[in-house]
Amino acid sequence: NAGVMQNPRHLVRRRGQEARLRCSPVKGHSHVYWYRQLPEEGLKFMVYLQKENIIDESGMPKERFSAEFPKEGPSILRIQQVVRGDSAAYFCASSPIVAGSTDTQYFGPGTRLTVL
Amino acid sequence: DAKTTQPNSMESNEEEPVHLPCNHSTISGTDYIHWYRQLPSQGPEYVIHGLTSNVNNRMASLAIAEDRKSSTLILHRATLRDAAVYYCILRDRDDKIIFGKGTRLHILP
Repeated sequence: NAGVMQNPRHLVRRRGQEARLRCSPVKGHSHVYWYRQLPEEGLKFMVYLQKENIIDESGMPKERFSAEFPKEGPSILRIQQVVRGDSAAYFCASSPIVAGSTDTQYFGPGTRLTVL
Repeated sequence: DAKTTQPNSMESNEEEPVHLPCNHSTISGTDYIHWYRQLPSQGPEYVIHGLTSNVNNRMASLAIAEDRKSSTLILHRATLRDAAVYYCILRDRDDKIIFGKGTRLHILP
């Protein structure tokens, strides 16, 4: 009965490299959300995806960031040409197929990205 | 922006009840009140949610004011493991969660 899994847990990149963060939702969940938490700050919504569709990307930076949730496999958050300001904890959450105000989101342990 | 107001931090003694307040004066009729908490170095976890009536579960109780403009999360007997940041969140029909700054709860042994 695995919960949300994220890997890697820690990722170190040099400026200009690419970062790929993976998220496997709870089995049977078809909704995935990504959040970012900068040091000593609260969590900020980035993007909401269903299988093969981006539903809401209002929190995603316009450049360098992209997300996907393919029909098979984990959701991927991709950051191209990372900069020091991208250093943060990135959390993924999933929820079951029934969308709406009462659904619970289950969060993963996060990926801590450090950009040197 | 978050639509709730919470104290930045609170302290409580171990094994005593804790009442965490939240103000949400602009709550709409379709907003549910959710509480999540984030333990150190972990992802957030769901605590409880409600609409109008008070709610109880194994983790906590949620007391909602009659006018719904405020609510209180109640931990009946705090332990050291309850030290965390507690987020009070209003959720409408959108699925994303808008987190505020939350209340950092310190538990004193």
